[in-house]
Amino acid sequence: GQQVMQIPQYQHVQEGEDFTTYCNSSTTLSNIQWYKQRPGGHPVFLIQLVKSGEVKKQKRLTFQFGEAKKNSSLHITATQTTDVGTYFCAGYTGTASKLTFGTGTRLQVTL
Amino acid sequence: DAGITQSPRHKVTETGTPVTLRCHQTENHRYMYWYRQDPGHGLRLIHYSYGVKDTDKGEVSDGYSVSRSKTEDFLLTLESATSSQTSVYFCAISGTGALGDTQYFGPGTRLTVL
Repeated sequence: GQQVMQIPQYQHVQEGEDFTTYCNSSTTLSNIQWYKQRPGGHPVFLIQLVKSGEVKKQKRLTFQFGEAKKNSSLHITATQTTDVGTYFCAGYTGTASKLTFGTGTRLQVTL
Repeated sequence: DAGITQSPRHKVTETGTPVTLRCHQTENHRYMYWYRQDPGHGLRLIHYSYGVKDTDKGEVSDGYSVSRSKTEDFLLTLESATSSQTSVYFCAISGTGALGDTQYFGPGTRLTVL
């Protein structure tokens, strides 16, 4: 079945440093979504990418969808303590209705 | 936040006992999902529903059953709980289930099977 892996599994940074998480799928994705889960909370939708090579920005967050539509990345510039949480990518393959979630990257930010 | 509630929020049970988790939504969304979250595995789909009495399996459905008798309620049952089913369970909803549809998650249920 389809697998979606994320690296790293965990990263600890100091506030102000940059952070990147990478998402890799074993199959081509129709689109990709990113979710954030705060500690003790539930996943919350951040953004969706659809086109090959697409880049989207949300303030300090930059999301990219690979040219082959099998990988994606999330880059956070100048992290803040409010960025703490686990970031998940999730993708649809040709079959609608079911999202396959990545394994997640847990980000810890300290002062 | 979308109107999704899960009950109970925490449960401790013993191996071999039946357990039912409830997800309730007030958004009138057609699609409902049950996921489990475990360290190193992310979120894995257990079962989902695309309408009243219409359900299908996800990638980790063994040992679980579901029912949906009303649009707003989606029940997850562990017929005979095992320690490997200790996990955090999330319910999610989406409007159409179509490619690109966003999923909204409930607050989760932490289940411990002793």
